[in-house]
Amino acid sequence: AQKITQTQPGMFVQEKEAVTLDCTYDTSDQSYGLFWYKQPSSGEMIFLIYQGSYDEQNATEGRYSLNFQKARKSANLVISASQLGDSAMYFCAMKYNFNKFYFGSGTKLNVKP
Amino acid sequence: NAGVTQTPKFQVLKTGQSMTLQCAQDMNHEYMSWYRQDPGMGLRLIHYSVGAGITDQGEVPNGYNVSRSTTEDFPLRLLSAAPSQTSVYFCASSYSGQLNTEAFFGQGTRLTVV
Repeated sequence: AQKITQTQPGMFVQEKEAVTLDCTYDTSDQSYGLFWYKQPSSGEMIFLIYQGSYDEQNATEGRYSLNFQKARKSANLVISASQLGDSAMYFCAMKYNFNKFYFGSGTKLNVKP
Repeated sequence: NAGVTQTPKFQVLKTGQSMTLQCAQDMNHEYMSWYRQDPGMGLRLIHYSVGAGITDQGEVPNGYNVSRSTTEDFPLRLLSAAPSQTSVYFCASSYSGQLNTEAFFGQGTRLTVV
């Protein structure tokens, strides 16, 4: 069975500082994908970043990077230079069987001015 | 480019009523799915489809039906609404059989069952 754990229900970060959102996963599959989505208060789901299970380099997309530690089964999202617009709910998700997504419970990030 | 279109955006139902949540995508994605989002529980998979005529159950299928007669459309039916089905529902689509492709989501439907 697949499992995604996000242990931080809520977090605060000061504007312009970096923040790490934790995600651990459990799977017996060798091939899987790890994704992060952002959900602002308006409710839409916005794709941020992807990491494949065979990728040796950590993924980066602008201010977002994914700290992938395969042996520890962790896929933490790092947001550098936080902005007020980063305040949102963040979901870690794992794609398995090449189609299905399994989501964590989310972390609510608040960026303080 | 519309992406994934979900209707309605809001809905209030009485217990026992039925309704259909509509979902359409214009990206020619083979894989479509429905999720419900509840506080503290993330998104949970209700039903999914890997192509027209093929559907299967997800994690929380009870009380919901789906069909997939075309590649574009994937409606979700609530047969007899219950207060436990009060939730936010998301439809999503993605390319099938590829790990590195993200899911595209509709705007969501906020459903309240009274």
